[in-house]
Amino acid sequence: AQSVTQPDIHITVSEGASLELRCNYSYGATPYLFWYVQSPGQGLQLLLKYFSGDTLVQGIKGFEAEFKRSQSSFNLRKPSVHWSDAAEYFCAVAPGNTGKLIFGQGTTLQVKP
Amino acid sequence: GAGVSQSPSNKVTEKGKDVELRCDPISGHTALYWYRQSLGQGLEFLIYFQGNSAPDKSGLPSDRFSAERTGGSVSTLTIQRTQQEDSAVYLCAGVPDRGHEQFFGPGTRLTVL
Repeated sequence: AQSVTQPDIHITVSEGASLELRCNYSYGATPYLFWYVQSPGQGLQLLLKYFSGDTLVQGIKGFEAEFKRSQSSFNLRKPSVHWSDAAEYFCAVAPGNTGKLIFGQGTTLQVKP
Repeated sequence: GAGVSQSPSNKVTEKGKDVELRCDPISGHTALYWYRQSLGQGLEFLIYFQGNSAPDKSGLPSDRFSAERTGGSVSTLTIQRTQQEDSAVYLCAGVPDRGHEQFFGPGTRLTVL
């Protein structure tokens, strides 16, 4: 069965430090891959997506992610974190043609001043 | 409005009562998804509508849950005889024709007492 694993439930980084959030997926082929962010009390906002082509994708708010087929990973990165980045981050895959999203459990990011 | 709207934003009900949750997607979004976000289960797919095709109900947790989409636009998720384990945030998302990105609404927080 398809699944998404986000190994880190909670991460704390200092403002200005770099960030990497991990995501591994299980699927027979290359699915569509997404990262969403959810601020408290808010809906999900798409940060970036990967469908095909260049394996390094750029998103909004200075985020990027790299698809590594050999590792079944799609890790999210940001070179310098801002206090406003504190939120919950979800990695998701959409296997096949249905578009149904399978989400990881989420990673809560805390930013220290 | 420009975005996906959901109503009510909060709903408190008593165990055993029926509830209806509404989703107004962005005009022109042909696909519509419902998800549930709960503490124990994370984000789970519930049901998916695509155009005039029969909906994909594979994620509905029990026959107490049903959904309809009228006129290819507004969708209503109905939960009959609510149970405490139905307490969650219910999110809907729309997808434009030939697109893959899901645009999420702010969600309805359902609390079953």
